[in-house]
Amino acid sequence: LAKTTQPISMDSYEGQEVNITCSHNNIATNDYITWYQQFPSQGPRFIIQGYKTKVTNEVASLFIPADRKSSTLSLPRVSLSDTAVYYCLVGLADRGSTLGRLYFGRGTQLTVWP
Amino acid sequence: DTAVSQTPKYLVTQMGNDKSIKCEQNLGHDTMYWYKQDSKKFLKIMFSYNNKELIINETVPNRFSPKSPDKAHLNLHINSLELGDSAVYFCASSQDPSGSAYEQYFGPGTRLTVT
Repeated sequence: LAKTTQPISMDSYEGQEVNITCSHNNIATNDYITWYQQFPSQGPRFIIQGYKTKVTNEVASLFIPADRKSSTLSLPRVSLSDTAVYYCLVGLADRGSTLGRLYFGRGTQLTVWP
Repeated sequence: DTAVSQTPKYLVTQMGNDKSIKCEQNLGHDTMYWYKQDSKKFLKIMFSYNNKELIINETVPNRFSPKSPDKAHLNLHINSLELGDSAVYFCASSQDPSGSAYEQYFGPGTRLTVT
């Protein structure tokens, strides 16, 4: 299962756009890229998932270059409530030997300041 | 309604004791998981059950034994608790993925403190 590398922490101010980049050099052909968000004293929460190019939902955008060795989570106009740990994961999205074996790593602590 | 629930939320116990953590999901999912998050925020998978069958068993001491009485429940029993078992334990569930989104739903966590 491909492992990921992300910055340990990032700081931003309210209203700014935040981009968190994740490296996954050993990503496999069948791997999807998924991001989770975790608030203190809560379990992680799914944010977005993609395979290639760009994916956008009501919360964030995910940019994936053609070689898929990295990805960038983009949070538009962050607010104080976006302060959380953000995890980048790669793993199969269909049944296989790595079913459920998500590798979360340490994540990126995003702190949004007023 | 809570999608994935765990009990208890906090558990303080002494070394050598045996304890259990319960997990229930009302999402109709086929797969359930146990994760351990240590003080450095590393979140590691421990076990995974699909339709009551153990499918993932990471390198976890034999003192940890999961039990799945049905698809909606996955309990974690820990024998002879050690100081190093102190952590937050998360239960999660997901639909049986078949090419669609690989999304897991997590419970609120159980903070276990071993003294």
